[in-house]
Amino acid sequence: NAGVTQTPKFQVLKTGQSMTLQCAQDMNHEYMSWYRQDPGMGLRLIHYSVGAGITDQGEVPNGYNVSRSTTEDFPLRLLSAAPSQTSVYFCASRSSYNEQFFGPGTRLTVL
Amino acid sequence: GEDVEQSLFLSVREGDSSVINCTYTDSSSTYLYWYKQEPGAGLQLLTYIFSNMDMKQDQRLTVLLNKKDKHLSLRIADTQTGDSAIYFCAESMGNNFNKFYFGSGTKLNVKP
Repeated sequence: NAGVTQTPKFQVLKTGQSMTLQCAQDMNHEYMSWYRQDPGMGLRLIHYSVGAGITDQGEVPNGYNVSRSTTEDFPLRLLSAAPSQTSVYFCASRSSYNEQFFGPGTRLTVL
Repeated sequence: GEDVEQSLFLSVREGDSSVINCTYTDSSSTYLYWYKQEPGAGLQLLTYIFSNMDMKQDQRLTVLLNKKDKHLSLRIADTQTGDSAIYFCAESMGNNFNKFYFGSGTKLNVKP
């Protein structure tokens, strides 16, 4: 099992550009989520999904969109990047035993 | 969101025990977690405890839960330099296990 994979590892955007952060898991987990990690603030939940076709907002959803067309994939879209979205983004999936597994992260800088 | 609080730094000598503390907002049927993050890496689940338990031990790790004081601790016995990392406490609520709330992390520095 590869676990939770994320691409890209690093990305630099200009303000107003759009991009999609990719996330995939091969553990057949129904629940997946996206977090952002900022210095001194721990992880904050952006969006989550409890299964294909079902998504919901977390603590900080503004500026981000998600979709879940398959169990394996859960992409995060930034439609118009802003400097405030400079952060490290983590994707995670959760087992039926409530254990959450994290990907390696994507470091995003918005200029 | 819920408040999960941790001290920012802890420094210990190799071979000593480390105790990392966390306070949380209580709720029924809550899971409490400890994660480890090494530089440039994602979060690794170390252990978790259900809120109806007082203690859980797993090799060098001991988790203690004081429900009355809403206090969770992680004790690492015989701390090694490889234990140097950031440790996050997290909580998921009984009314919605889909939402996890993380503390800001405790940076553990182990001196040789």
